This record gives sequence, structure tokens and C-alpha cells, in this order.
Amino acid sequence: KNQVEQSPQSLIILEGKNCTLQCNYTVSPFSNLRWYKQDTGRGPVSLTIMTFSENTKSNGRYTATLDADTKQSSLHITASQLSDSASYICVVSAEQAGTALIFGKGTTLSVSS
Amino acid sequence: SQTIHQWPATLVQPVGSPLSLECTVEGTSNPNLYWYRQAAGRGLQLLFYSVGIGQISSEVPQNLSASRPQDRQFILSSKKLLLSDSGFYLCAWSVQRNTEAFFGQGTRLTVV
Repeated sequence: KNQVEQSPQSLIILEGKNCTLQCNYTVSPFSNLRWYKQDTGRGPVSLTIMTFSENTKSNGRYTATLDADTKQSSLHITASQLSDSASYICVVSAEQAGTALIFGKGTTLSVSS
Repeated sequence: SQTIHQWPATLVQPVGSPLSLECTVEGTSNPNLYWYRQAAGRGLQLLFYSVGIGQISSEVPQNLSASRPQDRQFILSSKKLLLSDSGFYLCAWSVQRNTEAFFGQGTRLTVV
């Protein structure tokens, strides 16, 4: 069964600190993996997208990694800001019939001053 | 540039009343269109997707239906709302099935 598991479920950090969010997936055949940021009450917005051959991709203070062998991805946030408070969703795309997008439940990040 | 519009932003409806949420996409042709629901503390659940006009696929059995009367218009409907239909509904589009999905701003539906 295709699944995407994210950890931790929630996280509280101080402004300026770094953090890392985890995503493990059992999706086959794998197509690509995306990280989305969803502010409260808003639609998700894409941060990064990685294909099978990509190991690291950065978008400003966000850096995503992908290990296709272990089927793990991480999203590292550097020098966190209050505006980073949001839900971060890992989405894996599978080559199969239908929409082929499998969503994780997200990690809720709270950055406090 | 492409944009997606979803409305209304919030909606409070009594049990048993009908529902119609509308989503339109601008700046692209023949997009894949999706309706998702996000319940509190849960991930996004795909409700419907469409690869073309009049082509609707349902992912889960439910009290809702979807229609695509025009290429860039996607409508989520219900004849009689249930309390369990409350949630955050998101419309999204993508160029192809496995490409990035772009989301609307969402509709917060509360059934009372």
C-alpha cells in the first residue's frame, strides 16, 4: 500500500533555530517527491520538488534531501522565522492510474519568539 | 501566469441543505483538476479528480459529487449536507497527473 509518513507530528522551536522534518514513504513506482508549506486556513504552496536522481534541493532557507534507496526525505529549515510557522506536507507521486499523489498528514511547526 | 480561484472562503450551512463550491483556473488549458478535503488533524484526502470536461473520477464513496461543465471550471456539490461534511475543501490543478499541484485558497465549510 502506498503511504507517506511524516514525523514529528508537531514541533515547537525558538526563532533563529534550525529544524529538520522527516518523511518516509512506501510508494512504488516512485516518480517524485514534493514538500508543501500550508499556512493556517490557506492552500498548500510548493517549496521543492525532487525526482529520483536528485539528492538535495534548496529554496532559500529550506533544504530538502532525498534518499531513494531508504525511501526517506527530510526538510531542513535554517534560521527559522516566525513566518515559518505552518504545516509542512510531504507529497509523493507514484506512476500509477489516477492522480498518483500520496499526501502525508503533515508536520505542524510553531516558531516562537 | 496561471491562477486558481476558489470560493467562497468560508461557508456555514445547515444539515440537509445543498452545497455548491466553485473553482476556476486561468492561464492554462486542459488542466487536471482536483477536489481535496482536509479534516482537522488529518491529511489531505482526495475526493474527485478530472482530466477533462465531463470526466470525473471519485476516490472515495461519499455524500458529495463533482462536475466539470467547462475546461477550467470544477464544481463540488451536495444535495443534502451531513455534519460529517464539515472540513476544509481545497481545489487544485496540475498540468499532468504527476506534476506539481497548485492549490486554491480553500473553503472552510461548517455544517451545523
